[in-house]
Amino acid sequence: DQQVKQNSPSLSVQEGRISILNCDYTNSMFDYFLWYKKYPAEGPTFLISISSIKDKNEDGRFTVFLNKSAKHLSLHIVPSQPGDSAVYFCAASRRTYKYIFGTGTRLKVLA
Amino acid sequence: DAGVIQSPRHEVTEMGQEVTLRCKPISGHNSLFWYRQTMMRGLELLIYFNNNVPIDDSGMPEDRFSAKMPNASFSTLKIQPSEPRDSAVYFCASSLVSGGPGEQFFGPGTRLTVL
Repeated sequence: DQQVKQNSPSLSVQEGRISILNCDYTNSMFDYFLWYKKYPAEGPTFLISISSIKDKNEDGRFTVFLNKSAKHLSLHIVPSQPGDSAVYFCAASRRTYKYIFGTGTRLKVLA
Repeated sequence: DAGVIQSPRHEVTEMGQEVTLRCKPISGHNSLFWYRQTMMRGLELLIYFNNNVPIDDSGMPEDRFSAKMPNASFSTLKIQPSEPRDSAVYFCASSLVSGGPGEQFFGPGTRLTVL
């Protein structure tokens, strides 16, 4: 039973356009959310996080939006660059070390 | 500065054999995590150590899996006996944060194939 779902296994976007990666969760007790990025043959690296007291957090080209009523978060990358091509994992926690990860979305940015 | 180091990077073994995966966390980090990644289930937490003590092993799938952290700079994950369904990528991660949320730094992973 997946508590964190990334329903799109893959996404292709043209360079310079916006990439939107989506994530849904089922447990309303989750109050801290993260996105990790993973390149082939490397471990995941932290990208951005958001607490449930916020609905938006920005870091450069990356913005995470949280819709608590819909139990949905999204990662926007603007503008997308070829170096952004990777697998993106969302994760959720109840303010503890215990992250529940989704299965990942493979983003391909086309030059 | 070195990140999390894992060895071996790839392991191919036959069913029934013992497998030992190794991890060296980032120096100064007091939390260590072992994860397993599969296509179907994504990244799953297997076990969490804080200050070398196992705090949460609820994710360890069976008694065939065991993990140790004899000191602050070394941890092992052992599978005995291994089975084909154990084939996955195993990640070790470490963190400065004890107990709460915070950035976890992942190693490059060990790709395990059990024939």
